[in-house]
Amino acid sequence: ETGVTQSPTHLIKTRGQQVTLRCSSQSGHNTVSWYQQALGQGPQFIFQYYREEENGRGNFPPRFSGLQFPNYSSELNVNALELDDSALYLCASSGQGGGETQYFGPGTRLLVL
Amino acid sequence: AQKITQTQPGMFVQEKEAVTLDCTYDTSDQSYGLFWYKQPSSGEMIFLIYQGSYDEQNATEGRYSLNFQKARKSANLVISASQLGDSAMYFCAMREVPGNTGKLIFGQGTTLQVKP
Repeated sequence: ETGVTQSPTHLIKTRGQQVTLRCSSQSGHNTVSWYQQALGQGPQFIFQYYREEENGRGNFPPRFSGLQFPNYSSELNVNALELDDSALYLCASSGQGGGETQYFGPGTRLLVL
Repeated sequence: AQKITQTQPGMFVQEKEAVTLDCTYDTSDQSYGLFWYKQPSSGEMIFLIYQGSYDEQNATEGRYSLNFQKARKSANLVISASQLGDSAMYFCAMREVPGNTGKLIFGQGTTLQVKP
């Protein structure tokens, strides 16, 4: 096990609602990256947080936002949910701003109806 | 733009035999990192092996080895002595080094099934 935890494990929402996903990083890691994995696809980078600041963002709209806390845990918030937001959301923790190997949590499966 | 290509959607291998999973990549950067991850049906991505672009030796981790051919831009994963627990989805990924985020770019994945 990596020591990276995510909550909740599963979530069902309806279109237009808002959702918050949580991630606790591995001890000693100061960087959290979030990825979206649609069914049958490889993960897509959403954004990364390093020392509580956003440190890079993929091609996702502003309704995807995040936070990182002083203990390096992180939240992913998605507003105005769309059906296409249904996916597995993975967070990964690493050291040194992502310059080291990223270790993933078990993911949160989000279904938007 | 950087890209990872995995051309084998699915592979079968007999238990105890070796199997090679293909990965090619495209980048204009001189410095980059290549990774393989395993994803069982539970969903968690498990790190297997890493190869840096300047590493002269092929990486090895237990039963996993990475056949790195820089000129051909390929980074194939070799699993020796396959076990039933190796059945999973396998992803090749490349890390951007310029830009400093360490963002990973993933391929489409290869599903491996190990037959008893």
